Amino acid sequence: AQSVTQPDIHITVSEGASLELRCNYSYGATPYLFWYVQSPGQGLQLLLKYFSGDTLVQGIKGFEAEFKRSQSSFNLRKPSVHWSDAAEYFCAVGAPGGSNYKLTFGKGTLLTVNP
Amino acid sequence: DAGITQSPRHKVTETGTPVTLRCHQTENHRYMYWYRQDPGHGLRLIHYSYGVKDTDKGEVSDGYSVSRSKTEDFLLTLESATSSQTSVYFCAIRTGTGELFFGEGSRLTVL
Repeated sequence: AQSVTQPDIHITVSEGASLELRCNYSYGATPYLFWYVQSPGQGLQLLLKYFSGDTLVQGIKGFEAEFKRSQSSFNLRKPSVHWSDAAEYFCAVGAPGGSNYKLTFGKGTLLTVNP
Repeated sequence: DAGITQSPRHKVTETGTPVTLRCHQTENHRYMYWYRQDPGHGLRLIHYSYGVKDTDKGEVSDGYSVSRSKTEDFLLTLESATSSQTSVYFCAIRTGTGELFFGEGSRLTVL
């Protein structure tokens, strides 16, 4: 069974500082990997995704993530955080192929941005 | 963008009453999902569908049933609501590029 761990429940950074959110997954082969963002009271928005190929993927809003098979990780990064990035971030893993396609989500990391 | 409409968006009900949440999509996507979101738990899959009349259980399916009699509608039913089912429920569809696209959520309070 697939699973996702987001080790950090809450992270606080200063505006303009760099950011890295951690995500570790468990799956027997190369999974599909996703990062979503949720602002308060809103639905989830896709930031980026990895299916195959280049292990460094670019997303919206200046975010990027790197797939590291050896570490079973898919960490999200941003070089300079803006106050509008304050939100909750979810990593998700999916198993390619078959009729039972579904995403398993981590428990989320809440990002606070200080001025 | 995929068009997903969830209804109702907010509902307050009493323990023991039946509740049905509706998810409607406008683009004939094959896969549809129901997740619940609770603080400290992230999103957990309740049920999903991979076609009309084809559904399967997720990790937290107890107390819930689903139906999909046509492509565009996926219904989630709580036969007898309990306080532990107070949550925000999200419907999602799988897009042609493989990610899930989410609706705006339905907040359910069971008193």
